Amino acid sequence: GESVGLHLPTLSVQEGDNSIINCAYSNSASDYFIWYKQESGKGPQFIIDIRSNMDKRQGQRVTVLLNKTVKHLSLQIAATQPGDSAVYFCAENNAGNMLTFGGGTRLMVKP
Amino acid sequence: NAGVTQTPKFRILKIGQSMTLQCTQDMNHNYMYWYRQDPGMGLKLIYYSVGAGITDKGEVPNGYNVSRSTTEDFPLRLELAAPSQTSVYFCASRIKGSTEAFFGQGTRLTVV
Repeated sequence: GESVGLHLPTLSVQEGDNSIINCAYSNSASDYFIWYKQESGKGPQFIIDIRSNMDKRQGQRVTVLLNKTVKHLSLQIAATQPGDSAVYFCAENNAGNMLTFGGGTRLMVKP
Repeated sequence: NAGVTQTPKFRILKIGQSMTLQCTQDMNHNYMYWYRQDPGMGLKLIYYSVGAGITDKGEVPNGYNVSRSTTEDFPLRLELAAPSQTSVYFCASRIKGSTEAFFGQGTRLTVV
């Protein structure tokens, strides 16, 4: 719990600013890409997904962008709030329904 | 609805001991997963199951075994515990056709 994100890259943003969290993926055959949020001491929670044939998907205060040319995924959080402080993981779902997680980023929101 | 329940929450094992981590879900989800998360790191997939009677290896299956005799339960077995298996173990489940996986609270395992 308290050690989640200790060795992961950290993004520090001011409350109210927009955050952009990036992820590189390796499997071009994945059919969905997903973002999860993990708060200290808890299991990951689903945020938003994007199908592999889409470039952009918007949710409430979040937008996910997919660039298949460079195998890059990003999560944009608008008007970042203290409650957004957590570790964010990208994940991939392949055709066999194997759900694997990529590198994470620790987001710290300064008041 | 309890969601995904893992037991125990904490456990200390001696090298060479064995144990079973329990995972049960009451959402009638087809797919279930076991992950390990080392301190300060990401999640690695150990085993997964797309339905009762079907299990498949994930990224780091060595040293573990699983079974899926019912839709609800997906226990993870450690036969000969090693210090390298010290980690937090998460079980997750999701319904077929959805990418939203629901996670348990985790089991913190220490092997000494």
